[in-house]
Parts: sequence; structure tokens; C-alpha cells
Amino acid sequence: RKEVEQDPGPFNVPEGATVAFNCTYSNSASQSFFWYRQDCRKEPKLLMSVYSSGNEDGRFTAQLNRASQYISLLIRDSKLSDSATYLCVVNRGNAGNMLTFGGGTRLMVKP
Amino acid sequence: NAGVTQTPKFRILKIGQSMTLQCTQDMNHNYMYWYRQDPGMGLKLIYYSVGAGITDKGEVPNGYNVSRSTTEDFPLRLELAAPSQTSVYFCASSYSGTGTSVGGYTFGSGTRLTVV
Repeated sequence: RKEVEQDPGPFNVPEGATVAFNCTYSNSASQSFFWYRQDCRKEPKLLMSVYSSGNEDGRFTAQLNRASQYISLLIRDSKLSDSATYLCVVNRGNAGNMLTFGGGTRLMVKP
Repeated sequence: NAGVTQTPKFRILKIGQSMTLQCTQDMNHNYMYWYRQDPGMGLKLIYYSVGAGITDKGEVPNGYNVSRSTTEDFPLRLELAAPSQTSVYFCASSYSGTGTSVGGYTFGSGTRLTVV
């Protein structure tokens, strides 16, 4: 079983749609959780951290369920510029701040 | 403030050649990492370092070597390049905290390497 699993997609949605991505992780010792965004042929960039209480940043909402080891990302009112690959990222709970990256979910927002 | 700088951006190597991928960060981060990303795949950890003079293997270290003589620099050395090392290489750094206080990584823009 992969440490971090994501549906690779692609998710094809029209502008203005709401889309949700899910991710599961296997390491119960993980303490930090993130969503990264990666544009084609670019480096990954931190989109947002994910907290147990859930957190929101503009059109983006992230949720964490520690009991189910499940993380989600909700994007409301999708824009063309949201088209990218979204990486679910989890730390390993050990020294060195080791992060494990999921394979990513590709989102394509169409006009 | 440049963040994480990688050079070169692109390189074509012949089988058996060697090269060093350079990585420098100016954020005074103790932790640094090298990842590779094959087309359509996730990031795989090659080597990491928790401070100057300390390095350790990640998931896919074979065919690579690293050194960390200063906090700022973390070069990755490829010896005897093979076609299987064709990939995009990302260097990253992070704050050296613990638990939930630890933030994410800052990545360099990557080096696209082709071995022919």
C-alpha cells in the first residue's frame, strides 16, 4: 500500500464548478499535512497546510480526519488558472521533517 | 531573497558521464532534500541532510552521492550516468522544527536531465 494515495484524475470541470479531491495516508504517526500545487513542468508550491479543525483560504478548504487518515481539498468557483496537479503531502513523523508526496490529482478547468 | 536556486536548468549527458547538480538556499534552513520526478509520477526522495556535515539516504539513492559542507549548499553528484536517471531533479529545503510547527518545503525550479 502506498504511504499517500490519491486519485490521479484527470478531473475535468467547467469554470465556476466546485471540485473535491481526496487523499488517504497510511502512517498514523504523521503530524503535518499539506496540499501542494504543481503546474506543468514547474516545481511544487505549497498551497496550504491542513489542520485538524479544518481551514479555509479564499476558495480553498482543507479538511483532515485523523481517525480515518483522510485529507480533502475543496475548490469552489473553479478558475481556469486552477488547472494544475494537486499533491497531497504528509510528514513521516520522524526526524528531518521527511515529507511523503502523493502522486497527485490532475485538475483541468474548462471555459 | 532568492530562496532555493538550482543549476543547471537543463542538461543532456551521455551514458557513463558524470555531473554535479548544484543547489543553494539563502533561508538559513538546516534541512535540505533531493527528489527526482519521472514523467507522470510522484516525487521520490534521493538523499536528505539535517545539517552541515550530515547526510542520509532516501528511497532511491543508488547512482547518486551528496555532500553538505555548508548550510547553504547541497550538491547532488551523478556518477556513471544511466538512461534510468533521466528525470527532473528538485532540491528543497525546510525549517528544522518538530511536530505540527514544521512547515512545508521550498523547492528549487528543478533540473531537467536527459541521459542518452
